[in-house]
Amino acid sequence: AQSVTQLDSQVPVFEEAPVELRCNYSSSVSVYLFWYVQYPNQGLQLLLKYLSGSTLVKGINGFEAEFNKSQTSFHLRKPSVHISDTAEYFCALRTGNQFYFGTGTSLTVIP
Amino acid sequence: KAGVTQTPRYLIKTRGQQVTLSCSPISGHRSVSWYQQTPGQGLQFLFEYFSETQRNKGNFPGRFSGRQFSNSRSEMNVSTLELGDSALYLCASSLRTSGLAGEQYFGPGTRLTVT
Repeated sequence: AQSVTQLDSQVPVFEEAPVELRCNYSSSVSVYLFWYVQYPNQGLQLLLKYLSGSTLVKGINGFEAEFNKSQTSFHLRKPSVHISDTAEYFCALRTGNQFYFGTGTSLTVIP
Repeated sequence: KAGVTQTPRYLIKTRGQQVTLSCSPISGHRSVSWYQQTPGQGLQFLFEYFSETQRNKGNFPGRFSGRQFSNSRSEMNVSTLELGDSALYLCASSLRTSGLAGEQYFGPGTRLTVT
């Protein structure tokens, strides 16, 4: 069975500090991994994706994520956060044609 | 290119009623998936349609149904509404070709409130 676990439901961080949002997955088959961001009252927007190749993936808004197959993780990082990064972040995996989402991490950037 | 559109954006219904939500995918996308998002359960997959056929289905009761039209637009129907059906319903479209792990593009959602 496939599953995605986001280890932190809420992450507060001061503006201009670095942040890491953690994501672990479980799957018996090859997966593709994604991070999405959701701003209030909006749908989800793709931040970045890992399909194959380099394990370090760069996305929009200065975010990056590293795929670690041995640890089955796909943590999201940003070296310096802005107020505008305050949002809900979702990790997802795709196997075949079905997506599985984590329960989300609420990132709050404190001025 | 226009994004995924969902109508209506907000809806208030009474228990026992039924509701139909609509989703128009990005032009050229033939796959449409539906999700239910609630604070307690997060994003839960409802079903996926591709070329007018349901290809995948999540673990939801039969009160939840959908269909897809030849122009790839999709509708989702919930009958005999319950209070627990109050949620944000998200639609996502993708290319769904064999050579791509196509990411999904989400619409803004329909906020359904059941009273």
